[in-house]
Amino acid sequence: SQTIHQWPATLVQPVGSPLSLECTVEGTSNPNLYWYRQAAGRGLQLLFYSVGIGQISSEVPQNLSASRPQDRQFILSSKKLLLSDSGFYLCAGRDIRAGELFFGEGSRLTVL
Amino acid sequence: AQSVTQPDIHITVSEGASLELRCNYSYGATPYLFWYVQSPGQGLQLLLKYFSGDTLVQGIKGFEAEFKRSQSSFNLRKPSVHWSDAAEYFCAVGVAGGFKTIFGAGTRLFVKA
Repeated sequence: SQTIHQWPATLVQPVGSPLSLECTVEGTSNPNLYWYRQAAGRGLQLLFYSVGIGQISSEVPQNLSASRPQDRQFILSSKKLLLSDSGFYLCAGRDIRAGELFFGEGSRLTVL
Repeated sequence: AQSVTQPDIHITVSEGASLELRCNYSYGATPYLFWYVQSPGQGLQLLLKYFSGDTLVQGIKGFEAEFKRSQSSFNLRKPSVHWSDAAEYFCAVGVAGGFKTIFGAGTRLFVKA
């Protein structure tokens, strides 16, 4: 079965500092990968998705970026965090033969 | 534009009572439909999905959902709720052939003894 490992689980960062969240996938090859952000009462907002190595599409303009250096590795980054970047970030994958997503455990980011 | 509406922000039911969580979607083509569950501070787990065929689908943990095309709805049901069902529930629609998934805002379920 497919599994996503996501880290760190919790992160407290000052405004203006950089960010790196990482996830790796097991159990499938060439998955579609996604970064979502979850704010209380607002569901999941799709930030980025990737269909393959080096291919990144952005859904929402912001000061975040994503990269996919390897087939099963997906990274969310920022050069300078804003207060509004606080939230719960979820990495998700999708086997290209299936329709549903499988999720990591999430990363709680607090920007102070 | 595609969207998913979950009209109930939170619902409280007694343990052993029946449950129905509402979901309406807006999408021009035949949708892929999903229900996910999330425990606090964790990722989402798939409860069930509908792609085609029988409009009543069974999922894990005793949940079921019914797709009603005429009402653009995909409501989640459970005949008898257990305390362990307390969580947040998300309805979602897969668009672009399932490539993108759009989520509703979620319904938080509270279960009272």
